[in-house]
Amino acid sequence: GAVVSQHPSWVICKSGTSVKIECRSLDFQATTMFWYRQFPKQSLMLMATSNEGSKATYEQGVEKDKFLINHASLTLSTLTVTSAHPEDSSFYICSASGGRATDTQYFGPGTRLTVL
Amino acid sequence: QQQVKQSPQSLIVQKGGISIINCAYENTAFDYFPWYQQFPGKGPALLIAIRPDVSEKKEGRFTISFNKSAKQFSLHIMDSQPGDSATYFCAASTDSWGKFQFGAGTQVVVTP
Repeated sequence: GAVVSQHPSWVICKSGTSVKIECRSLDFQATTMFWYRQFPKQSLMLMATSNEGSKATYEQGVEKDKFLINHASLTLSTLTVTSAHPEDSSFYICSASGGRATDTQYFGPGTRLTVL
Repeated sequence: QQQVKQSPQSLIVQKGGISIINCAYENTAFDYFPWYQQFPGKGPALLIAIRPDVSEKKEGRFTISFNKSAKQFSLHIMDSQPGDSATYFCAASTDSWGKFQFGAGTQVVVTP
C-alpha cells in the first residue's frame, strides 16, 4: 500500500485564529488529494479536491475563503481553516491518489480540530 | 441526496458470527466499489474493493458480493472477532483514483 500522513494529529485553537493542517504522501507522488471532514458518528463529507499545481475544486456549500487548500507539490497539500469558530471543530481527513497509487484513495490518519 | 445508501446503521454480532452490511447505488457509471474500516479517532483504511466485472471477491474473512443488475453490493465479515468492532463505510466511484461517494456508515460491535 501507500502511506499518507497528516500533521498535526490534533490541534486546539482559540476562536478567530487560523489553523493549518498538512497532508503528505510519503512514498508516492499524489497528483490528486482530497479533503474530508467528519462529525462524530457521521460519514465522511468531501470538502474539496485538489490537483497538484491547480486551484482546488470545492464541493457545494463549502466556503473556499474559509477553507484554503494549497497543493503546491506532488507530496504535500495543506488545508488552512481561517478565522476558526467552534462550529469548525471536527475531524479533518485527507486522502491521496496518483503516481504508483492509482488503485484506490489512500487516507491519512486524520486531524482533530477543536476550536474554543 | 445520498448516492450510496448503506444499511444497517449499526449491528451487534457475537464472536464467530457473520456480519453483513449492504449498500445500494443509483449511478450506473460507478465502476469501483471499495469498503473502508475506521476505528475511533483514526482515518479509514481500505479493506477490500471490487469492480462490476466480478460478482464476488474474497480476502481472508472479508467478502464482497456484487449484484450489478440490482445495483447492490454487500460486505460479509465471516467469523467476526472483537477486533472487527469498528465503523464500516462503503463507497462508489467512477474510477479508483477519483471522487468517492460514501455511504453513511455501519457501526459493528462484536461481543465476546
